[in-house]
Amino acid sequence: NAGVMQNPRHLVRRRGQEARLRCSPMKGHSHVYWYRQLPEEGLKFMVYLQKENIIDESGMPKERFSAEFPKEGPSILRIQQVVRGDSAAYFCASSQPGLAGHNEQFFGPGTRLTVL
Amino acid sequence: QKEVEQDPGPLSVPEGAIVSLNCTYSNSAFQYFMWYRQYSRKGPELLMYTYSSGNKEDGRFTAQVDKSSKYISLFIRDSQPSDSATYLCAMNIRSGNTGKLIFGQGTTLQVKP
Repeated sequence: NAGVMQNPRHLVRRRGQEARLRCSPMKGHSHVYWYRQLPEEGLKFMVYLQKENIIDESGMPKERFSAEFPKEGPSILRIQQVVRGDSAAYFCASSQPGLAGHNEQFFGPGTRLTVL
Repeated sequence: QKEVEQDPGPLSVPEGAIVSLNCTYSNSAFQYFMWYRQYSRKGPELLMYTYSSGNKEDGRFTAQVDKSSKYISLFIRDSQPSDSATYLCAMNIRSGNTGKLIFGQGTTLQVKP
């Protein structure tokens, strides 16, 4: 049973380019969460999605960042016009539905974004 | 003031020692408490999940919650070099359809052989 998969594992972009990060949840999981981890900081919640719906995007920056979880395919975190401050590790987590699911999130290996 | 406070360490102990890791929080709405372990350059791994005050044991790990003091702990017995990692506490509120976990900064633990 494969865990949460993220790709690419490492991504290098120049300032102004776009970054697309992909996340495939665990089998049987319909909820996806994205977190960002800056150096020397803990994980910060960004967005919570179910299939075709954004449930909570309270942690997403207002500009340049967007997320989707289509009916078919992986969840995508998209960062437009990247800046150096976007350099971080981005983690995706997935869970089953329900309150217990929210509290038992399983994380992927992360995508490490470097902006030159 | 951060919602969740966690001493970043590093904490260095000899193999076999009992390790105590702690978090404090300010939001009394937090009702669910998790501990994650994160090895360097890897994703966090869920260790323990609890929602009631008191102790919960799983092998060498014991999670303790004191809601009256807004204080949670993770104890590791007979620590091993393979326990060397960063330990993150995480919390969630009770009401609403939220999957927004609030994490502490993480404590780096090194267990020396």
